[in-house]
Amino acid sequence: DSGVTQTPKHLITATGQRVTLRCSPRSGDLSVYWYQQSLDQGLQFLIQYYNGEERAKGNILERFSAQQFPDLHSELNLSSLELGDSALYFCASSTSGGYNEQFFGPGTRLTVL
Amino acid sequence: EDQVTQSPEALRLQEGESSSLNCSYTVSGLRGLFWYRQDPGKGPEFLFTLYSAGEEKEKERLKATLTKKESFLHITAPKPEDSATYLCAVQGRGDRDDKIIFGKGTRLHILP
Repeated sequence: DSGVTQTPKHLITATGQRVTLRCSPRSGDLSVYWYQQSLDQGLQFLIQYYNGEERAKGNILERFSAQQFPDLHSELNLSSLELGDSALYFCASSTSGGYNEQFFGPGTRLTVL
Repeated sequence: EDQVTQSPEALRLQEGESSSLNCSYTVSGLRGLFWYRQDPGKGPEFLFTLYSAGEEKEKERLKATLTKKESFLHITAPKPEDSATYLCAVQGRGDRDDKIIFGKGTRLHILP
């Protein structure tokens, strides 16, 4: 158990809908990262927040947005969902905003029908 | 273009048969190279961080090494419980933000 929690574990929705994924980092960690993992693309970095501020942006679509709240939990919002958005979404946390190890949560499996 | 390439894609070994996994990378301004282990349906689990060429790290049957162009994950006398996908990732300096790039992984299967 990494100490990172993600909810929900599974999410099934329809195209065009909007969903919110939630992540609570390990106690004391200030950075939260979001990743998308699909069979053909592997693990893709989406975005990083550090202590409430956006720190780095990866391959995040404009239909996706994220935020980190004062209690350091984070939410990833996915809108206008398409079939291709079906994937495992992982959240990870680390102690600082720098270049150190990340601890991954168990993931949310999103299925768009 | 920044990229991370892992080879082989899949590897089957007999228990006790040592081998190495390769991670070749091209990235501007390497900040760190990371190895993770991922079991099916679970999140990646951190193994090692390497920051500069020549650095080595060890943990049980695993040893990671780094050069300016690639990293190796050496597995000595593996056991069936070492079966997993091993992911390599690099963090590098981008135009605006640092970039984090993962390879597609090596699926390792250890036969008893």
